[in-house]
Amino acid sequence: EPEVTQTPSHQVTQMGQEVILRCVPISNHLYFYWYRQILGQKVEFLVSFYNNEISEKSEIFDDQFSVERPDGSNFTLKIRSTKLEDSAMYFCASSELSTPQYFGPGTRLTVL
Amino acid sequence: RKEVEQDPGPFNVPEGATVAFNCTYSNSASQSFFWYRQDCRKEPKLLMSVYSSGNEDGRFTAQLNRASQYISLLIRDSKLSDSATYLCVVLNSNSGYALNFGKGTSLLVTP
Repeated sequence: EPEVTQTPSHQVTQMGQEVILRCVPISNHLYFYWYRQILGQKVEFLVSFYNNEISEKSEIFDDQFSVERPDGSNFTLKIRSTKLEDSAMYFCASSELSTPQYFGPGTRLTVL
Repeated sequence: RKEVEQDPGPFNVPEGATVAFNCTYSNSASQSFFWYRQDCRKEPKLLMSVYSSGNEDGRFTAQLNRASQYISLLIRDSKLSDSATYLCVVLNSNSGYALNFGKGTSLLVTP
C-alpha cells in the first residue's frame, strides 16, 4: 500500500538555524499539506499546496516558513530561523482530492 | 470556543466491551467529517469517514447529526490493539483544505 514518507525522523537544531524537512507524498496525489503537533496538543494545519502553489495557509505559517516542490516527488518545508517554540512533530500529508488526507510518520523537530 | 471538542478521557475498558466517543463541532458550514486514530508519537491514521446516513466498518460505527453538530464513534468488541487516541476531524467548507482536529479521546483496552 502506497504511503507518505518523511525524512529525517528526528532533527535537532540550534535556535536561529535553518531546517528543511522532507516529504515524499503518495505518487498519484495532487494535494500536499504540512501539519504540526506540539507535544500534548492537537494537530494543527500549517499549509496546503496544489498545482505548484500554496492554496491555503494558517496564521502559524508566517514568513519564517516556506514550502517547495523541487522535483516531481519531493515536498519540503523550510523554517528559516528556528525558535524554541517551533519544537514539535511535523507531519506531511497528501490526498488525491481535498480529502481524505493521508499522513506520513512525521519528523520530530527539537530546537535547543 | 474550540472548533472541534472531544472528551479527552481516558476511557479504560475491558476487552470485548463496547465504547462510544462523542465529538461536537462549532462551524455549521463544516462539510466533511472523519475519525482518525493516533498511537503514541505516531502519525494520525484515517479510521473512517463519517457520512450523514451513518456508516459502519467492521466493529466501528460512525454517526453524524448535522442539526446538533455532533459526531460519534462506536467500537464494539474492543481489542487490545484498539488502545490509541481517537481524533475527531472536520473539514470546513470555508477553509478549503485545512483539517480541523479535536484534541482526541484516549482509549485503553485492558485484558
